Amino acid sequence: RKEVEQDPGPFNVPEGATVAFNCTYSNSASQSFFWYRQDCRKEPKLLMSVYSSGNEDGRFTAQLNRASQYISLLIRDSKLSDSATYLCVVNRGGSSASKIIFGSGTRLSIRP
Amino acid sequence: GAVVSQHPSRVICKSGTSVKIECRSLDFQATTMFWYRQFPKKSLMLMATSNEGSKATYEQGVEKDKFLINHASLTLSTLTVTSAHPEDSSFYICSARARSSYEQYFGPGTRLTVT
Repeated sequence: RKEVEQDPGPFNVPEGATVAFNCTYSNSASQSFFWYRQDCRKEPKLLMSVYSSGNEDGRFTAQLNRASQYISLLIRDSKLSDSATYLCVVNRGGSSASKIIFGSGTRLSIRP
Repeated sequence: GAVVSQHPSRVICKSGTSVKIECRSLDFQATTMFWYRQFPKKSLMLMATSNEGSKATYEQGVEKDKFLINHASLTLSTLTVTSAHPEDSSFYICSARARSSYEQYFGPGTRLTVT
């Protein structure tokens, strides 16, 4: 079993739709969590950190459920430019020196 | 966000030669740098973690004598692919993290093609 698991997709949704991605992690000691986005043939870019209380940034909402070891990303009113691969990222352990583990990514395609 | 550069962005080399890739943090001091490899339509695979001034820590299955990593300063790490083979062709991406920070900033990647 992978330490960080994501549904690979692809998710193909119409513009304006709401789409949600899930991610589970197996190491209960994991302390910090992130969502990155990666466009085709480009490097990953930080989308948002995920906080225990949940956090929102415009059309994007991230949630963390420590009890279930589950992270989610919700995208509302999706745009064509949201098409990308979304990577769930977990910092194993409680310090900045701990290893960061990437999920394999969920591909999202927004159609007009 | 913070800026990380990589050079070269693309390189083609012959089998058996060595290739050096540079990763620089341009506006912050990177105490830790990471090197990843990504094959087409696959996820990022961490190859090694390097801390400034110390030896890199390699992931299982990554040959340290083949992938030489040097992190001599707080703004520069290099990855040298020695005696490259066609199966080493891949997208190599570095990332950098500042002291006491959880966030990583990625370089734009280097596409290596070994013929």
